[in-house]
Amino acid sequence: DVKVTQSSRYLVKRTGEKVFLECVQDMDHENMFWYRQDPGLGLRLIYFSYDVKMKEKGDIPEGYSVSREKKERFSLILESASTNQTSMYLCASTREATDTQYFGPGTRLTVL
Amino acid sequence: AQSVSQHNHHVILSEAASLELGCNYSYGGTVNLFWYVQYPGQHLQLLLKYFSGDPLVKGIKGFEAEFIKSKFSFNLRKPSVQWSDTAEYFCAVKANQAGTALIFGKGTTLSVSS
Repeated sequence: DVKVTQSSRYLVKRTGEKVFLECVQDMDHENMFWYRQDPGLGLRLIYFSYDVKMKEKGDIPEGYSVSREKKERFSLILESASTNQTSMYLCASTREATDTQYFGPGTRLTVL
Repeated sequence: AQSVSQHNHHVILSEAASLELGCNYSYGGTVNLFWYVQYPGQHLQLLLKYFSGDPLVKGIKGFEAEFIKSKFSFNLRKPSVQWSDTAEYFCAVKANQAGTALIFGKGTTLSVSS
């Protein structure tokens, strides 16, 4: 079974803090993705990566950056957290770009 | 740019009723199509997918979906829903083109009463 793990299930941060969200997959997948999920808006793609050290902007990259130093790990960084970044963050991975994506459990981030 | 439209935001059904959730996408080329489900408190998981071949695809738990290319649609169906089908359902589309990512619809919440 593919396993995608995320470092925290719940996180509370203050405005202006730097926030790191970590995602690890154990299936040697090339492709990894970060989404945020908000009620009524579905899943929106923040960033994705097709290979180590590669990154591509998704639909809503503003206020976020990513890091992929190792194949299995994809980090999402909020340089200066703001209240409008309060959301559920989902990580996903897939072997081929067209293949099924496997999702982690999500991190519910609250920015106060 | 691709987009995905799910027709219903919230659907309420009684057990044993039939279900159809609409999904339309906008993209002129070849696509891969997915339905994902998120049960309360659980991960998003794949319900079914269509890549090619028979446009009627069957997934887990008795769900099926039909790809109608001329209508750019991929509607999800189930003949008889159960209380345990209460969940949020997402349609997603991936253009069969390098450099593109999976695009999700906004989701449909299904509530089934027993």
